[in-house]
Amino acid sequence: AQSVAQPEDQVNVAEGNPLTVKCTYSVSGNPYLFWYVQYPNRGLQFLLKYITGDNLVKGSYGFEAEFNKSQTSFHLKKPSALVSDSALYFCAASSSGGYQKVTFGTGTKLQVIP
Amino acid sequence: GAVVSQHPSRVICKSGTSVKIECRSLDFQATTMFWYRQFPKQSLMLMATSNEGSKATYEQGVEKDKFLINHASLTLSTLTVTSAHPEDSSFYICSARGRGGNNSPLHFGNGTRLTVT
Repeated sequence: AQSVAQPEDQVNVAEGNPLTVKCTYSVSGNPYLFWYVQYPNRGLQFLLKYITGDNLVKGSYGFEAEFNKSQTSFHLKKPSALVSDSALYFCAASSSGGYQKVTFGTGTKLQVIP
Repeated sequence: GAVVSQHPSRVICKSGTSVKIECRSLDFQATTMFWYRQFPKQSLMLMATSNEGSKATYEQGVEKDKFLINHASLTLSTLTVTSAHPEDSSFYICSARGRGGNNSPLHFGNGTRLTVT
């Protein structure tokens, strides 16, 4: 069975500092990994994805994520946090197999402090 | 591109009535649509997966007779909450995937806040 873990319910970071939101996964076959962001009372917005190739993936709004196969991780990062980055972040995984379901982590609330 | 429109955004209904939520892919063909339920401060709970022209696949514990899903075309899926009760109050979100397969990102609607009084 697929699973995605986001070990931190909330991450607090000062504006201008680098941020990291952690994610680990477990899938059969080759993983397809995604990050989404959710603002209050809204749906999720796609940020970036890893399918294959370069382990460092760049996405929207200056976010990037690093795929680490040995640690089965896909942490979301940004060099300099903005107050407007404050939101709920979800990591998600699917696989190259026939199973079409996308599995989401439990979400991490990012709070950027001015 | 890849816009998913979901409406209504908010609905308040009385206990015992039915509510229909629409999810449309505006600029792409959605071969697969997913319906989620989100409780406050919690993750997304997948309710069902629907493929155009076939019956939806429901997750364990989701009552298919209560949450009717129809995916009649490549651009429209509907979720009908039948005989709604206060415990059905929640935030419902649809998402759609195009023809790219499992490596394509999901595109989400903005959600529907259902309140059953």
